[in-house]
Amino acid sequence: KQEVTQIPAALSVPEGENLVLNCSFTDSAIYNLQWFRQDPGKGLTSLLLIQSSQREQTSGRLNASLDKSSGRSTLYIAASQPGDSATYLCAVFNYGQNFVFGPGTRLSVLP
Amino acid sequence: EAQVTQNPRYLITVTGKKLTVTCSQNMNHEYMSWYRQDPGLGLRQIYYSMNVEVTDKGDVPEGYKVSRKEKRNFPLILESPSPNQTSLYFCASSLSRTGNTIYFGEGSWLTVV
Repeated sequence: KQEVTQIPAALSVPEGENLVLNCSFTDSAIYNLQWFRQDPGKGLTSLLLIQSSQREQTSGRLNASLDKSSGRSTLYIAASQPGDSATYLCAVFNYGQNFVFGPGTRLSVLP
Repeated sequence: EAQVTQNPRYLITVTGKKLTVTCSQNMNHEYMSWYRQDPGLGLRQIYYSMNVEVTDKGDVPEGYKVSRKEKRNFPLILESPSPNQTSLYFCASSLSRTGNTIYFGEGSWLTVV
């Protein structure tokens, strides 16, 4: 069964820093991977969707990469801002299974 | 505007009193699902539906029921709530099961006393 982990569990950085969040999965036969943002007490918002045939996706200051063979994805946030403070979750989808979510990385960007 | 709407957003109820959390999406999505989110356990899927009248169990279905009579609606039913069902619940939808962008509702905070 697919398992998804995220490291670190929490991260605190000063404003303006570039940062990387990590997502690892045990079953590399994924169909796609999504990165989400969750603000406290709120729903999840999809940030980026990477299909299994893709290596990366970009949206504004966000860049997500996917390395299926090693079971890893990274979310790169450039020039971080206090408004980026949230929990970031990754989720993978395998054929014949449902979406499996990671536990999330709680990010704090300090002014 | 693309939306998944859940109601109620906040509810305190007593053990054994049946309740329904409604979910509606306006995107004509085929796939809908319910999750619960608990500290230390993350998001876990309760039930999902691939289309009207097609539902199936997720990872933690015990104590819950669902129905999908219309494409847009997917209510979650707790026939006899218990305190261990105190949680934050999310409804989600996507175009199909095969991993399109997932849209989430704002969440429903449920406390069972």
